[in-house]
Amino acid sequence: GESVGLHLPTLSVQEGDNSIINCAYSNSASDYFIWYKQESGKGPQFIIDIRSNMDKRQGQRVTVLLNKTVKHLSLQIAATQPGDSAVYFCAEIPNQAGTALIFGKGTTLSVSS
Amino acid sequence: DVKVTQSSRYLVKRTGEKVFLECVQDMDHENMFWYRQDPGLGLRLIYFSYDVKMKEKGDIPEGYSVSREKKERFSLILESASTNQTSMYLCASSLSTGPYEQYFGPGTRLTVT
Repeated sequence: GESVGLHLPTLSVQEGDNSIINCAYSNSASDYFIWYKQESGKGPQFIIDIRSNMDKRQGQRVTVLLNKTVKHLSLQIAATQPGDSAVYFCAEIPNQAGTALIFGKGTTLSVSS
Repeated sequence: DVKVTQSSRYLVKRTGEKVFLECVQDMDHENMFWYRQDPGLGLRLIYFSYDVKMKEKGDIPEGYSVSREKKERFSLILESASTNQTSMYLCASSLSTGPYEQYFGPGTRLTVT
């Protein structure tokens, strides 16, 4: 079946660096993508989303880029802070129905001071 | 703010016991979901429901059942718990008409001995 995956299971950065977390998706019909952050012992928390009719969307310190040609999604975190240490998941909705998300396996971001 | 609550944060049960995991959301969301999360496997969908008394199987429904008698409450039932059901269980909810982001509860860490 369709799957959403992440390129790297772990990413280590220094505080203040910019972080880039990548994700490849397989369903070219997917219309909607979300990035989630999951801190230890907590449920996933919504960070930012993007629709397939957009290439880029910015939030506070975060930017999501969507390249539909190569079915690639990335999350950029500016000036990474220790509080950004968490597991990051991308997820897609394969159709407009808004039912089940397909999640990638996650990238663990570690930020050292 | 959307709030999704789960009945227990930690649960220890014996093999063969019947286990109930409860989830309640307070935002009148139509869709509710149960996932399990295991290291290296990410989030996998067990069941979801898009309306009261409606349910759909996810990717790994075997050994589980669900109940949705009221819109705000979605229960996951392990009919006869087994050690391979030791996992983190996450409940989520979302609107059916969009935005499609899912809001997650804090999770229940279930250990079956």
